[in-house]
Amino acid sequence: QPELTQPPSTSATPGQRVTISCSGSTSNIGTNSVTWFQHLPGTAPKLLIYYNDQRPSGVPDRFSGSKSGTSASLAISGLQSDDEADYYCATWDDSVNVRVFGGGTKLTVL
Amino acid sequence: QVVESGGGLVKPGGSLRLSCAASGFTFSSYNMNWVRQAPGRGLEWVSSISGSGSDIYYAGSVKGRFTISRDNAKNSLYLQMNALRVEDTAVYHCVRDANLDHWGQGTLVTVSS
Repeated sequence: QPELTQPPSTSATPGQRVTISCSGSTSNIGTNSVTWFQHLPGTAPKLLIYYNDQRPSGVPDRFSGSKSGTSASLAISGLQSDDEADYYCATWDDSVNVRVFGGGTKLTVL
Repeated sequence: QVVESGGGLVKPGGSLRLSCAASGFTFSSYNMNWVRQAPGRGLEWVSSISGSGSDIYYAGSVKGRFTISRDNAKNSLYLQMNALRVEDTAVYHCVRDANLDHWGQGTLVTVSS
């Protein structure tokens, strides 16, 4: 089964900028667009970024996405305490026609 | 919005049918998905179905046991789950679109003897 690799955790202080990486392969990130989600325990996940770098309405411009080759990144600037959550990347994999999620990154705001 | 129902406690080997009621958008125009999260685990895609129902995809972990379907006249999405295993225990979310842009709160499925 295809995989997307994310760091399990990261941390930063309020006001700082943090980047979360998502590594895949030519059959998934290398070919298809990446989406990013924010998930707070007990709530429904929220779409943050689609088509690699597009923000849905209502998502602050502190959140930005990028993609290069077989990797993608989510950047959060001006970190706030309520940004503390789990973040997931996802994309489609053409080799086996499945959607794949990264394992998730737990962001702690110190 | 999308609202799931049908979760509950079932024994290993049993069956359950989840439903998702959609409102506020043209249901037939959107791909729909089921995504689950097992306790203490990350998000896992389960299945997708195109707006017309003609294209269907499954994760390898559920292929042959789960069946996704939709009724556009009723604005509803379904997931028939057979031969359930303990590892299928999870909150199951109904999610709109290929971009997974709107998520339901989920319904809990517990598989245990």
